[in-house]
Amino acid sequence: EVQLVETGGGLIQPGGSLRLSCAASGFSVNNNYMSWVRQAPGEGLEWVSLIYSGGNTFYADSVKGRFTISRDNSKNTLYLQMNNLRADDTAVYYCARGHYYGSRSYSGAFDIWGQGTMVTVSS
Amino acid sequence: DIQMTQSPSSVSASVGDRVTITCRASQGISSWLAWYQQKPGKAPKLLIYAASSLQSGVPSRFSGSGSGTDFTLTISSLQPEDFATYYCQQADSFPWTFGQGTKVEIK
Repeated sequence: EVQLVETGGGLIQPGGSLRLSCAASGFSVNNNYMSWVRQAPGEGLEWVSLIYSGGNTFYADSVKGRFTISRDNSKNTLYLQMNNLRADDTAVYYCARGHYYGSRSYSGAFDIWGQGTMVTVSS
Repeated sequence: DIQMTQSPSSVSASVGDRVTITCRASQGISSWLAWYQQKPGKAPKLLIYAASSLQSGVPSRFSGSGSGTDFTLTISSLQPEDFATYYCQQADSFPWTFGQGTKVEIK
């Protein structure tokens, strides 16, 4: 079964660090573009970061310089290292798999999502 | 950054109604647009990609159209399971961005 399972969320004080993990099954993270998307309580979706199969990475302005996306191909796991956390980073964090169609055409959409992990930044 | 503006923010509709949601990009994004459905406490679900292509397994009552800056998601005959929040997302240029969401509520 193709699925993503996020772990690593929790309560953290402002200025602290946390690493989220996203374990994939049924496909290889290194063969797909992968993203992190977050959703603050009661709010909409916010794209956070992306890593392409070739290794290029991109970030939202709000997290640039503080968050780092990476992957471990041997563990088939995506990560999000979050440093210098702020109260406005409080959200459910989803990992998502990039969508391809036809003979491996890239769509820029996300077709498989994890269940999300809650990060609460508070003193 | 490209801003994605959805309208309306919410809509009240009845089962069987035709519902149309609009998404406008602050600059042209060709057809690099996706639509998602999200129910409370659940992850988003991909409905439409490349502005008008229906994702596998999604009912044909959902359709998407548009290119450039103006896009629409149409539900041709609203079903009870369609009451949810809908988001558009652009993938033309980084940072990728979502619309603010449109909540479809029961009338």
